[in-house]
Amino acid sequence: DQQVKQNSPSLSVQEGRISILNCDYTNSMFDYFLWYKKYPAEGPTFLISISSIKDKNEDGRFTVFLNKSAKHLSLHIVPSQPGDSAVYFCAAAEGGYQKVTFGTGTKLQVIP
Amino acid sequence: NAGVMQNPRHLVRRRGQEARLRCSPMKGHSHVYWYRQLPEEGLKFMVYLQKENIIDESGMPKERFSAEFPKEGPSILRIQQVVRGDSAAYFCASSPPTSGTPTYEQYFGPGTRLTVT
Repeated sequence: DQQVKQNSPSLSVQEGRISILNCDYTNSMFDYFLWYKKYPAEGPTFLISISSIKDKNEDGRFTVFLNKSAKHLSLHIVPSQPGDSAVYFCAAAEGGYQKVTFGTGTKLQVIP
Repeated sequence: NAGVMQNPRHLVRRRGQEARLRCSPMKGHSHVYWYRQLPEEGLKFMVYLQKENIIDESGMPKERFSAEFPKEGPSILRIQQVVRGDSAAYFCASSPPTSGTPTYEQYFGPGTRLTVT
């Protein structure tokens, strides 16, 4: 039962353009969402998060949007840079419980 | 402040042997999580531990797998009688004690790549 889904396994974007990574979830108890970035042969690193009381959170070139009614969130990267090429994982957690559920990841390639 | 340490980084075992994977959380972190990533798949939660306690092991296979986080020393993920299907990257993550509003942010180690021949 995949509660967090990333339906696009890969995405290619030209350098300088916007990258949009999507994530859907099924568990309505999730109230906190995170994005992680992973380079090959390394562990994931935290990128940005959003609480369910917000619909947008921005940090530099990275913005996460949350649509609770659609159970959908997205990560926007503007402008995209070659160093952003990595696998991006969406993750979700429910109230006060430390366990985090990860999606299957989207491999982003930013073409110079 | 050192990050999450995992060793070994690479481990090769023959079928039927035991694999022991170690994880030292970040200083001051009392929560440890283990994840498995199979080739071409995402991160699958295995187990969540606090010092001397298993909080959630809902992702652990019922047989051959066990985990501990003793009062002293690293957390250990132990796989007995390994099979080829156990070949994967195993990641450990840690987080600080919860106080106030939890952030759910976890800090990951570099992973241990287990190959079963």
